[in-house]
Amino acid sequence: QITLEQSGPTLVKPTQTLTLTCTFSGFSLSSSGVGVGWIRQPLGEALECLALISYDDDKRYSPSLQNRLTITKDTSKNQVVLTMTNMDPVDTATYYCARSFGYGYMDAFDFWGPGTAVTVSS
Amino acid sequence: DIQMTQSPPSLSASVGDRVIITCRASQNIFTYLNWYQQKPGKAPELLIYAASRLQSGVPSRFSGSGSGTDFTLTISSLQPEDFATYYCQQTYSGLRTFGRGTKVEIK
Repeated sequence: QITLEQSGPTLVKPTQTLTLTCTFSGFSLSSSGVGVGWIRQPLGEALECLALISYDDDKRYSPSLQNRLTITKDTSKNQVVLTMTNMDPVDTATYYCARSFGYGYMDAFDFWGPGTAVTVSS
Repeated sequence: DIQMTQSPPSLSASVGDRVIITCRASQNIFTYLNWYQQKPGKAPELLIYAASRLQSGVPSRFSGSGSGTDFTLTISSLQPEDFATYYCQQTYSGLRTFGRGTKVEIK
């Protein structure tokens, strides 16, 4: 059974750094074709993919946010961590982690965490 | 970046209706296109991957088609549990970008 759990703050102050942890079970991030991504969604708005890390440590970032984002994995702990620096109220959103599975260009987020609602306010 | 444009942004339909949602990519993405369903307060769920392949456990009333730049998601007979927001996502280039969603509401 594949599950993803998320942990991290629900309230951060402007200019602070957000650190979110995704702890998963039921799959290994060292297996071919597997990745974990972070996606966010402001209230009432669309999904935005922020970052993706693959089994081979390939990392991809949103072009508009890449200077603020870092994604890392700890395969032994089954965890993926996303940090986002210099948080601003416009970053208020629900943040999801999700497993990506597939080969070549044919992949999809097939399992999702429950989401963490993050508010940026002083 | 590849831009994904969904239409319509929202629609009203009745139970039993056939519903078609379209997604257009700003460049050729072959069949590297997924569809997700999201209900309020919940994480999205994968419905269709690679444009037309039904994810395990998804009812057969959902189907996807298209290639290149134009894609459709069809719900053959809308059920009460299908009222939700639907997103397309490309996986061809760079980070996986989503469309802005289509909200399916009860008429």
